[in-house]
Amino acid sequence: NAGVTQTPKFRVLKTGQSMTLLCAQDMNHEYMYWYRQDPGMGLRLIHYSVGEGTTAKGEVPDGYNVSRLKKQNFLLGLESAAPSQTSVYFCASTDGNSNQPQHFGDGTRLSIL
Amino acid sequence: GENVEQHPSTLSVQEGDSAVIKCTYSDSASNYFPWYKQELGKGPQLIIDIRSNVGEKKDQRIAVTLNKTAKHFSLHITETQPEDSAVYFCAASRGWGYQKVTFGTGTKLQVIP
Repeated sequence: NAGVTQTPKFRVLKTGQSMTLLCAQDMNHEYMYWYRQDPGMGLRLIHYSVGEGTTAKGEVPDGYNVSRLKKQNFLLGLESAAPSQTSVYFCASTDGNSNQPQHFGDGTRLSIL
Repeated sequence: GENVEQHPSTLSVQEGDSAVIKCTYSDSASNYFPWYKQELGKGPQLIIDIRSNVGEKKDQRIAVTLNKTAKHFSLHITETQPEDSAVYFCAASRGWGYQKVTFGTGTKLQVIP
């Protein structure tokens, strides 16, 4: 049971390039989330999904897009990368029942030059 | 929206001593309070959680207390060991719906052998 798997683990981009981060979970969870983690700022929610085919904005959605075409996958896209998007990105999932913890992947470390 | 404050940001203790991390929250409707441990290069992992109908919960060397009136909750680690060294995050949520979770900014705990 792999849990939540994120690919790639590391990536360096140039300003203006695009890329997609992939999150896959094998726990049949309904809800999935994308966070970014920056020093001294904890985890901030970018986008989330409450089920296949649905997405919604979190607290810092600008510059990102997401898609949830399959229940097990949640993709985060950067259309035109900016240095301010240099961060560590975490995906998480939960089964949607009340008071259940989120399960996190090990993150994608992204640097924008 | 919810605001979670966490203190201290860094904490150094001698092996065998106790460590206490404190968090306050602003949303009186929050009723689920998980604590996560994040080791270097890994994603956050749940270590203990507490629901608003409980004042204290213990799991071996780890305990969490909740004061709903004062809107604060704390993590207590007794008999600390070097492997307890990590970053700890508190969080608060209403525990229903899409379960938006608001995280504290983290405490870096160092246990000195």
